[in-house]
Amino acid sequence: AQSVAQPEDQVNVAEGNPLTVKCTYSVSGNPYLFWYVQYPNRGLQFLLKYITGDNLVKGSYGFEAEFNKSQTSFHLKKPSALVSDSALYFCAVNYGNMLTFGGGTRLMVKP
Amino acid sequence: EAQVTQNPRYLITVTGKKLTVTCSQNMNHEYMSWYRQDPGLGLRQIYYSMNVEVTDKGDVPEGYKVSRKEKRNFPLILESPSPNQTSLYFCASRWTSGSPYNEQFFGPGTRLTVL
Repeated sequence: AQSVAQPEDQVNVAEGNPLTVKCTYSVSGNPYLFWYVQYPNRGLQFLLKYITGDNLVKGSYGFEAEFNKSQTSFHLKKPSALVSDSALYFCAVNYGNMLTFGGGTRLMVKP
Repeated sequence: EAQVTQNPRYLITVTGKKLTVTCSQNMNHEYMSWYRQDPGLGLRQIYYSMNVEVTDKGDVPEGYKVSRKEKRNFPLILESPSPNQTSLYFCASRWTSGSPYNEQFFGPGTRLTVL
């Protein structure tokens, strides 16, 4: 069975600093990985995905993620955080026709 | 505007009173799915549908029913709701053509409270 772990419930970062939101996964076969963001009182929005190819994936709003097969990780990164990036972030792995999510990480960016 | 809509957005009900949460998408997506979101557990998949008249269980299907009679609609039915079904529910859809790993589009959510 597939699983996703987001080890940090919350990440705090100052505006302008780089940010990292961690994700590790477990899946048999090739992993198909996603990051989604949830703003308050909204549904989830797609940020980026890794299917195959380059290990560094670029997505929306300046976010990128690094796929590391040996460490089974797919960490979300941004070089310079904005206050407006504050939200709940979910990592997910696609397996067959189902999507399995991690527990989510709340990102707080302080001015 | 391309979107997934859900109704109602908020619902308070009592144990055992049947309810339906509707979901509709206007993007001609084949795949539709229901999730529930609980603190610390992320989103868990309840049911999904690959196309009209094709549905399958997700990770937490107990206590729920679905139907897919039209491509655009995928209602979630709780025939006898219980307090442990109090949660935030999301409907989502995506294309299946081109890539089996297309991103999903999510509705705004339905917050359900069962007393």
